Amino acid sequence: QSALTQPASVSGSPGQSISISCSGTSSDIGDYNYVSWYQQHPGKAPKLMIYDVSNRPSGVSNRFSGSKSANTASLTISGLQAEDEADYYCSSYTSSFTFVFGTGTKVTVL
Amino acid sequence: EVQLVESGGGLVKPGGSLRLSCAASGFTFSTFIMNWVRQAPGKGLEWVSSISSSGSDIYYADSMKGRFTISRDNAKNSLCLQMNSLRVEDTAVYYCAREGYDSLTGYYGPFFDYWGQGTLVTVSS
Repeated sequence: QSALTQPASVSGSPGQSISISCSGTSSDIGDYNYVSWYQQHPGKAPKLMIYDVSNRPSGVSNRFSGSKSANTASLTISGLQAEDEADYYCSSYTSSFTFVFGTGTKVTVL
Repeated sequence: EVQLVESGGGLVKPGGSLRLSCAASGFTFSTFIMNWVRQAPGKGLEWVSSISSSGSDIYYADSMKGRFTISRDNAKNSLCLQMNSLRVEDTAVYYCAREGYDSLTGYYGPFFDYWGQGTLVTVSS
């Protein structure tokens, strides 16, 4: 199972909106609405930000939103803040009852 | 409070074995699917394996099949990963991660809502 494809880096100024894409196949993203997104700060464990494409867990800011179209999912961060600077990973459940993660995107707040 | 605490990491030679453990607390362990996810130094996340709540259903990433064995002891709230025939490329931080659960709706889903702090496995001669 190949990793989902994400841009290596995305940047934006405080207050701006950015989007991170996550490209998969018909065997993962395209087959299920089971895409999740994780934020990881250096030296820390990943934190769940979005599950099932567009659902936010309790406690996650509503500045984070998710969507999906065909084999590509997206995470949008609106009103970018300094604390949003981190690595972000998408993940999808697959038709083989396994999981696949994205390649990861480093978000920089300018 | 949900807590997942991994242990058992360390330095091992190529071809060697290591057994990782994850102690769970703060939730009903026996009702959750559990997972191992790893992250090589400076690299991305990689799913390793999952085990159903009863232990009857187990899945592995292709590169771990035949070398890694996941198991659980629901009486001890413990998850394990036995790693054999270790390779240099298995060097990573190994995280224990719980299957997702939305307490507001009672929904269990294929995502990871709680993670441990990770344990570092270094495979080197």
